[in-house]
Order: sequence, then C-alpha cells, then structure tokens
Amino acid sequence: EVQLVESGGGLVQPGGSLRLSCVASGFTFSTYWMAWVRQAPGKGLEWVAVIKQDGSEEYYVDSVKGRFTISRDNAKNSLYLQMDSLRADDTAVYYCARDLKPGILLLYFQDWGQGTLVTVSS
Amino acid sequence: EIVLTQSPATLSLSPGESATLSCRASQSVSNYLAWYQQKPGQAPRLLIYDASTRATGIPVRFSGSRFGTDFTLTISSLEPEDFAVYYCQHRSNWPGLTFGGGTKVEIK
Repeated sequence: EVQLVESGGGLVQPGGSLRLSCVASGFTFSTYWMAWVRQAPGKGLEWVAVIKQDGSEEYYVDSVKGRFTISRDNAKNSLYLQMDSLRADDTAVYYCARDLKPGILLLYFQDWGQGTLVTVSS
Repeated sequence: EIVLTQSPATLSLSPGESATLSCRASQSVSNYLAWYQQKPGQAPRLLIYDASTRATGIPVRFSGSRFGTDFTLTISSLEPEDFAVYYCQHRSNWPGLTFGGGTKVEIK
C-alpha cells in the first residue's frame, strides 16, 4: 500500500522558515517524480514544486521561486520542501504527491499524503 | 498561463441523479486534463486523467469527455459518497500546471 506521510508544518512568523518532510513507503520512491501541492484554507489546489526521480530537475510555481526549495533523499525515501521568507499567503495545507507512473513526467497525482498545515502569522 | 474555468460552482442533486460538471480551458490543453475528487478534511483523489481514462479503482459511473477546450466529468448515478468537491487540472504547458476553481456537488 502506498503511503505518504508529511510532517513539519506549524505556526511561523512572516519572513520565517520551515522545512516540510514527506516519508514514502509502499513503492519504489526513486523511480517517481514527486510534487508538493498546497491548498489555502477554504480555497482550491495550487501546485508548488516538482522534482525528478534523481533530483536533477526541479520546477516551481512563480509565486515561490527563489523562496522555496524542493529536494529528496532516495536512500531515506523522503521528500522535502524548504520554505524561506514565508508570507501570509503561503498559509495552506501542504500535500506531498506522487506522479501517476514511474519513470516519466505525467503530472497527474495518483497518491497524496494527508497534508500538513503551515500557518504564517505574527 | 492557461486558465481552467469550472462550472457550475455548486451543483445540488439527489442520490441516483446524474451529475455533469464542466471545465473549460482558456486555450488548447490537448487531452492533458485530469479530474480529482476531494472530501472535507481529505486529500484529493485522482478520478480521470488524459481527459477520459479512469484511474485505478475508480467506479465506472465516473466518466470524462472532451470537446475542443471543453471537458466534462459525468457521474452517471450519484452515490452518497460522491458528494464532494471536484477539481480539474491540466498539464499541457509544462513547466506550468493549474487547477480549476472547483465544483461542489451537494445533496439537494
């Protein structure tokens, strides 16, 4: 059974930093593109970042470029999101998500974690 | 940026009725469109990808179709567990993907 378990969310002041983690199990983590998708309270979904299987390619939505960094450790089956210079509009539930099929970039998200809430407020 | 416009915002139906949800793209996305279901407090669930392919384990009452830049998700006979919010998502102009604003299917 595929499992994605996020952690690291919490309350942080504007301008602060936070690092989210996602531990994967039940599949060969190193063969899938992985993503972070967020959802502000009561709002819709927004893609945040995507990373290739070996970490050699990363892509970001414009609103987080230069502030957020996606990374992965395939030996630990883990995905990360380093969030710096946080703003109030970054407040959201952050989901870790797995692409649909191994080996290729499809950007259809088959499996999701339960999400971790990040609140940016003074 | 490609904009996905979902309509209606809310659909009020009874169990057993058929639901038709629309997603219109501001420009061509080919067949690169997916549909997700999200229930309160839960993560989204992939229903349909490539406009009309059902994801693993999705019941046959869910179907997707495309006509140009207009996409439709049809739920043939609503079950109680189908009342939720539905989002469309495209992946056609990478790097860049967006979700629609969502349609809530509520019990009438």
